[in-house]
Formats: sequence, structure tokens, C-alpha cells
Amino acid sequence: AQSVTQLGSHVSVSEGALVLLRCNYSSSVPPYLFWYVQYPNQGLQLLLKYTTGATLVKGINGFEAEFKKSETSFHLTKPSAHMSDAAEYFCAVRSNTGTASKLTFGTGTRLQVTL
Amino acid sequence: DTGVSQDPRHKITKRGQNVTFRCDPISEHNRLYWYRQTLGQGPEFLTYFQNEAQLEKSRLLSDRFSAERPKGSFSTLEIQRTEQGDSAMYLCASSLARTGELFFGEGSRLTVL
Repeated sequence: AQSVTQLGSHVSVSEGALVLLRCNYSSSVPPYLFWYVQYPNQGLQLLLKYTTGATLVKGINGFEAEFKKSETSFHLTKPSAHMSDAAEYFCAVRSNTGTASKLTFGTGTRLQVTL
Repeated sequence: DTGVSQDPRHKITKRGQNVTFRCDPISEHNRLYWYRQTLGQGPEFLTYFQNEAQLEKSRLLSDRFSAERPKGSFSTLEIQRTEQGDSAMYLCASSLARTGELFFGEGSRLTVL
């Protein structure tokens, strides 16, 4: 079974500061990993994904994440936060074998951006 | 591409009533998923369809819940005899089998009084 742990339910950064949102996964097989963003009263939007190949993946809105197998991590970063980045961020894992197509999500990290 | 649409966006009902949510996926997507999200939590998988076949159901999906995708296009999620614990956001997502990337709708928020 796969699982995801997001450390820190709330993260606050100043505008222009580095954003770091942490995600650790557990999977018995090589995982597919995703980061989604959710704005209030809206659905989830895909930021980026890792399947195979390059371990540093770039996504939309200047976000990127690095897959580190040795640390079972997939942390999300952005060099400079913008006010519009304030939202809830979810890390998710999906098995890439068999018929297990569902995503398993973490509990989310709410990002607050202050002036 | 009009995206995944869900209807209604909000539903308030009294305990014991039945409710039905509809999801229209992206037209060429053959997989459709239902998730439930409660306040402060991540989405939890309920069930998914490939075309019209329901391939997996979570243990969260009690016998009061039923989902259908009769023609492999839109899907409905019905909750019978609603309970206050059913209050949540119900999210629908669709994908192409070969990519696995899920595209979510904006959700249907259920409040059971």
C-alpha cells in the first residue's frame, strides 16, 4: 500500500522568500508522485508530476520538486513566493503497476504568504 | 476542452434524505474517479470507473452510496439516507488510462443538517 506524509499543516512565508513544502512517501514499488494545488472552494489543479526519468521536475507557476529515492521524499519548492501562491497544497502517490490507478493524497499543507 | 464539470456545486439537505451528484468528465477520458474531502483533510478515494465498468470501490463507500457510469460518459454518485457524517466535498476527476494524470472538477459540497 502507498501512503504520503506531509510535514507541516501550515507554512507561512514572506513574499519573495523561498517556499519549501515537504512530502515523504511510502511505496513498495517505484511510485508516481504528484503535487496538486487547491484554491478555496475549487477543485485540485496539477502542479507537477514525477513518473520516470529526470528526478528534478518543473511545474507550473515556477514550482519544482525533486524525487529522492534514498530519502523517500518529493519536496516542493519555489524560489520566490508570490501572494497568489497562497493555497492548499497536496502531495499524492500512485502505484504504477497492476490496476491500482487511484491516487493516495496527503493531508495537505496550507501555504500563507505575507507581505 | 471544457474540463470536468460537477453539478450541483452546493447541496444542503436534511438527514435521511437522498442526494445525487453528477459528474461530466473531459470527453475523451475513459477513466472517472470519485473522491471525498472533509475539512482539513486530503481527498480520499471512493471509487473509479474505466468506461462503464466500476473497477474499484473503497471501504469508505458504504452500502448507502452508489455510483454509476451507464454509458461510459457522465457519472452519478447517489447517497441514500444521508447522515451528518456525509457532509463533505465530493470531487470527481477523469483521466486517460495511458497517462494516469487526474483532472479534477470543482467539487460538489454537501451539507447534511
